[in-house]
Amino acid sequence: AQSVTQPDIHITVSEGASLELRCNYSYGATPYLFWYVQSPGQGLQLLLKYFSGDTLVQGIKGFEAEFKRSQSSFNLRKPSVHWSDAAEYFCAVESGDMRFGAGTRLTVKP
Amino acid sequence: DVKVTQSSRYLVKRTGEKVFLECVQDMDHENMFWYRQDPGLGLRLIYFSYDVKMKEKGDIPEGYSVSREKKERFSLILESASTNQTSMYLCATSLGSSYNEQFFGPGTRLTVL
Repeated sequence: AQSVTQPDIHITVSEGASLELRCNYSYGATPYLFWYVQSPGQGLQLLLKYFSGDTLVQGIKGFEAEFKRSQSSFNLRKPSVHWSDAAEYFCAVESGDMRFGAGTRLTVKP
Repeated sequence: DVKVTQSSRYLVKRTGEKVFLECVQDMDHENMFWYRQDPGLGLRLIYFSYDVKMKEKGDIPEGYSVSREKKERFSLILESASTNQTSMYLCATSLGSSYNEQFFGPGTRLTVL
């Protein structure tokens, strides 16, 4: 069955530290991949997307993600986290219909 | 920019009431979606629509219905609200072709007492 897994429910990092949020998918072919961010009380905003080509994609707010076909992964990274990055992050996969992971909540310590 | 608006940010209803959640978009997108979001479960698709007067069931349609009479408006209806329908409801839109990103409204937090 098609699925999207975000293994980490909650991550805490210190401000200025690096961040990596994990996403794994299970699909027959290479799907289209997305990362969304949801600030408290808000809807989802697109951070970045991968359709094809360069496997390292840049997004808004200094985020990037790397597609690794061999690992069926699309992990989100940021070299230096800011307090305003505290939010919930969702990985999503589109392969005919859009599927979302359960989300990873990010807490940023001062 | 795409703007997706939802009629209410917060809503409190009683068990058995009929509830309408409205979603309006201003970018002429063909596709519209209704999700519910619950902690630890991510977003689950309730219904979607690819065109006016068209609707398709998502993963959890039970207890819900939808209406799309105009392209820009997609309504979610809870015929008889129950406490297990307390949730955050998110509307989204996308262009008509496949594999496009979705644009989300701010959400409606519904509490059913």
